[in-house]
Amino acid sequence: NAGVTQTPKFRVLKTGQSMTLLCAQDMNHEYMYWYRQDPGMGLRLIHYSVGEGTTAKGEVPDGYNVSRLKKQNFLLGLESAAPSQTSVYFCASRGNSGTYNEQFFGPGTRLTVL
Amino acid sequence: AQKVTQAQTEISVVEKEDVTLDCVYETRDTTYYLFWYKQPPSGELVFLIRRNSFDEQNEISGRYSWNFQKSTSSFNFTITASQVVDSAVYFCALILPNSGGYQKVTFGTGTKLQVIP
Repeated sequence: NAGVTQTPKFRVLKTGQSMTLLCAQDMNHEYMYWYRQDPGMGLRLIHYSVGEGTTAKGEVPDGYNVSRLKKQNFLLGLESAAPSQTSVYFCASRGNSGTYNEQFFGPGTRLTVL
Repeated sequence: AQKVTQAQTEISVVEKEDVTLDCVYETRDTTYYLFWYKQPPSGELVFLIRRNSFDEQNEISGRYSWNFQKSTSSFNFTITASQVVDSAVYFCALILPNSGGYQKVTFGTGTKLQVIP
């Protein structure tokens, strides 16, 4: 099992450009999450999904959109990138056999917006 | 509102020393879960342990041990005989379950541990 994978690992954008981050998991998990990690702020939840075809906003959703067309994939989109979106983005998934299951994290995507 | 405080921003120890990473949490909920994650220099987040609010038993796993005390709202993590491979950022997290499947997760800001050979 590959677990949770993220594509790409690194990306540099110019202000105003758009891009999509892909998260894939092969554990048949129902729940998937997108976080951003900024220095001194821990991880903050951007959007999440409780199943295929569902999405919901987290703590810091502005400037991002997501889609979960397939159970195994969770896409994070930036329509018009801003320097404030420079961050490390983590995707996570968890199983559905109880609400306390740990989240499994992907390796992260380091995004720089110039 | 939930809050997790990791007051130690950075800690440096010499190899083989013991080190304790502090985690203090705040929540009004009676059911919650506490986690510790490790983030090595390679960047990925590695799950270490979870503990639910009804289980105050301490746990030991090899060189790692965790002390959960509801009376002081603390969930501290101790590494015994530290090794260079323990160098990482460690995050404590508080999770509130929700019937809709959404876990309200609050992460601390992390403690960077440097183990000097």
